[in-house]
Formats: sequence, structure tokens, C-alpha cells
Amino acid sequence: SQTIHQWPATLVQPVGSPLSLECTVEGTSNPNLYWYRQAAGRGLQLLFYSVGIGQISSEVPQNLSASRPQDRQFILSSKKLLLSDSGFYLCAWTTGAGNTEAFFGQGTRLTVV
Amino acid sequence: KNEVEQSPQNLTAQEGEFITINCSYSVGISALHWLQQHPGGGIVSLFMLSSGKKKHGRLIATINIQEKHSSLHITASHPRDSAVYICAVRSYNTDKLIFGTGTRLQVFP
Repeated sequence: SQTIHQWPATLVQPVGSPLSLECTVEGTSNPNLYWYRQAAGRGLQLLFYSVGIGQISSEVPQNLSASRPQDRQFILSSKKLLLSDSGFYLCAWTTGAGNTEAFFGQGTRLTVV
Repeated sequence: KNEVEQSPQNLTAQEGEFITINCSYSVGISALHWLQQHPGGGIVSLFMLSSGKKKHGRLIATINIQEKHSSLHITASHPRDSAVYICAVRSYNTDKLIFGTGTRLQVFP
């Protein structure tokens, strides 16, 4: 079956520490993968978009980076977290084009202290 | 202006009321999704629409492609329906998912 795993669910990290959030997909190949962030009281903002291994499109300049080392693995990273990086991070995937289903991870609530 | 706009931003209702949440978009789309986000943050996909109308239990979603508008209706609302409802569209040109800012619904007993 098609599913998506995102971890961890919650994370508290000090300012200046590194970050690694991982998302893996099952039940499909060559998915389009997305990382979104939702700041408090705001909507989901697209951070990174990937259509294949090693192909990453960055939507907004920021303190974060993304990598796709394998077809069904998408990683969100930071070398040094800022307070403003706090928020809810969501991984999603779609397959094919057009009116196909989208699948969403459970999200990671990151608090930078 | 956001490419996907939802209204209202916040909505309160008494149990049993009929609820409507609206979504308007300005881009060409291949599909529209209605999602539910509970306080813990997890997102559940409710509907995917490319035309017409879909119904699942007490939830009904409609879309008018010509007017670039969709509505989510909840009949006989219940406190457990309290959540944030999010509209997301899949852009026809870029194939990316674009999210609305969400509608926070609270249903009181």
C-alpha cells in the first residue's frame, strides 16, 4: 500500500544545533516529494520540491537544505538552527501528474530554544 | 495575494449546525484536495476533486472549475469535527501542491 513515514513527531533543539528530519515513502516509485513548513498561525509554505534523486528545487531562501539520496527518501537539514526555524514541518508526496492522490506525513513539530 | 484563499479563517458553530468552508484559487489546477488537521498537527486527506461533487459520510465537497471555487460542507456538525480544514490545489503548470491558510473550526456541544 502507498504510505509515507515522517519522523520524529516532535523535536526540541537548542539554537545553533544541527537538524535532520527524514521522510520515506512506500508503495510507489519516482514520487514527487515536498517539504512544507507551517509557522504558528500561518498556512503551509512550500520549502523544497523534488522530482527525482538529487533534484531539489528551493522555493524560499532560508537556513535549511534538502537532499534526496534515494528515490523514496527526502531529508530536511540545517547546520545551525535559528529560533525562527520553529514550526510544524510536513512531508508530502504525489505520483504522476494531474489528478492523482497526494499523501501526507504526520508532521514534525520543531521547537528551537 | 495568495494563490489559494480560504474563508472564513475562523468558524464557530453549535453542534448540529450545517457548516460551509470556501476555497478560491487563481491558478489552473489538475486537482483540489481538502485536508483536515487536528491539534496534534497530523494531516488527514478528506477529498480529492477534479470536477463535480464527492460525499463521504457527513462531509460533502464540491468544485466549480469555471469559477475556480470549491466548498466543503459538514452536515450535522459534531464537536469531534473541530479541526483546521485546509484546501490545497495541484498546479496544472508546475505540478506543485499549493496550500490555503486553513479554516479553524470549533464546534461546541
